[in-house]
Amino acid sequence: DTAVSQTPKYLVTQMGNDKSIKCEQNLGHDTMYWYKQDSKKFLKIMFSYNNKELIINETVPNRFSPKSPDKAHLNLHINSLELGDSAVYFCASSHQGNGYGYTFGSGTRLTVV
Amino acid sequence: KQEVTQIPAALSVPEGENLVLNCSFTDSAIYNLQWFRQDPGKGLTSLLLIQSSQREQTSGRLNASLDKSSGRSTLYIAASQPGDSATYLCAAPYNNNDMRFGAGTRLTVKP
Repeated sequence: DTAVSQTPKYLVTQMGNDKSIKCEQNLGHDTMYWYKQDSKKFLKIMFSYNNKELIINETVPNRFSPKSPDKAHLNLHINSLELGDSAVYFCASSHQGNGYGYTFGSGTRLTVV
Repeated sequence: KQEVTQIPAALSVPEGENLVLNCSFTDSAIYNLQWFRQDPGKGLTSLLLIQSSQREQTSGRLNASLDKSSGRSTLYIAASQPGDSATYLCAAPYNNNDMRFGAGTRLTVKP
């Protein structure tokens, strides 16, 4: 049973489109995250949600909007996709934000053409 | 702000060698520090978590140390094997909100 699952695994889309990536965790964690890993493999925090409340938003364009219907799900919606959005997006979850039980999904490789 | 730096960026060693990966962090007010492994095209797998009250943590051939006062951690891999080839990432908490990652060390162990 996958602990943190993301869909889709691969996403190829044209510039200007709107797309969503879904994430679900079955670990009972209360905090979920979205990270972006660029072509240089640097992993950068985008959003963190604790019990459905946004607690961090690192200088991410407002074209990106996280949505959390409940504490087991954190989806990422991206409007007006740009070439620079191409990257691998990772969802993760943990008990609070201080590292305990940090578990990653397998990633979504987004390619904007 | 928590900034995490890893040295070296890449490392290539022959099988059987012992090796050390280095990590430094700027905010020493941390509860713990964590080392992850990432295989190509895969997600991250947690290897070791060192509590702030600990000096080191061991798992099999891996040993991680933590020196909060100097803002440094090392990951020691003994008797390296080709299966150890991967990218190793160091992560430290920031404001108890999330983990901040270094850019990683890409390790290649040659048979």
